[in-house]
Amino acid sequence: GAGVSQSPRYKVAKRGQDVALRCDPISGHVSLFWYQQALGQGPEFLTYFQNEAQLDKSGLPSDRFFAERPEGSVSTLKIQRTQQEDSAVYLCASSLVSTIEQYFGPGTRLTVT
Amino acid sequence: GIQVEQSPPDLILQEGANSTLRCNFSDSVNNLQWFHQNPWGQLINLFYIPSGTKQNGRLSATTVATERYSLLYISSSQTTDSGVYFCAVNQAGTALIFGKGTTLSVSS
Repeated sequence: GAGVSQSPRYKVAKRGQDVALRCDPISGHVSLFWYQQALGQGPEFLTYFQNEAQLDKSGLPSDRFFAERPEGSVSTLKIQRTQQEDSAVYLCASSLVSTIEQYFGPGTRLTVT
Repeated sequence: GIQVEQSPPDLILQEGANSTLRCNFSDSVNNLQWFHQNPWGQLINLFYIPSGTKQNGRLSATTVATERYSLLYISSSQTTDSGVYFCAVNQAGTALIFGKGTTLSVSS
């Protein structure tokens, strides 16, 4: 079946612009995670949803970052007033439940100029 | 929080060689996964292996949960095996914590 999809794959934003990154999880997957991967590093946790409930947002680096999953399926990660340090790959993952295998999308590479 | 350490950080092999990648973690976990990140950045699931041994073709993995480590074996390596290999763990209801990865380069 279809895997996790993300769009756009690449995004270039001028500093100060707002961006929205989309994640379509595997159908039926209850848990959805967002991660941020800086160049040369492993992915780092941003936030976690179970259905439409955001259960953990402890990894969001600032209040400029906001995520939602209003109907328990598609999720959007929004970054307001982008800064250069926001440049990274943003990865989405989903799983049937939070304790078992997670599957990752291809990521969105964000470059802030 | 849990610490995840991977070794070696870099590995250079000739095609056909075998290798072992190691992942140590600092606390008990519910989930351990091995991933291969290809040159396009896609994280490809290799193994979901919180304990025991699994094999998939030329790859196999073993996790000894009581001793808090996991090993990934690659046999008869091919150039397409090149990339970064990540180990990641989590406890119940939490996000995956990744190691820094092992960068593998296989030359022909």
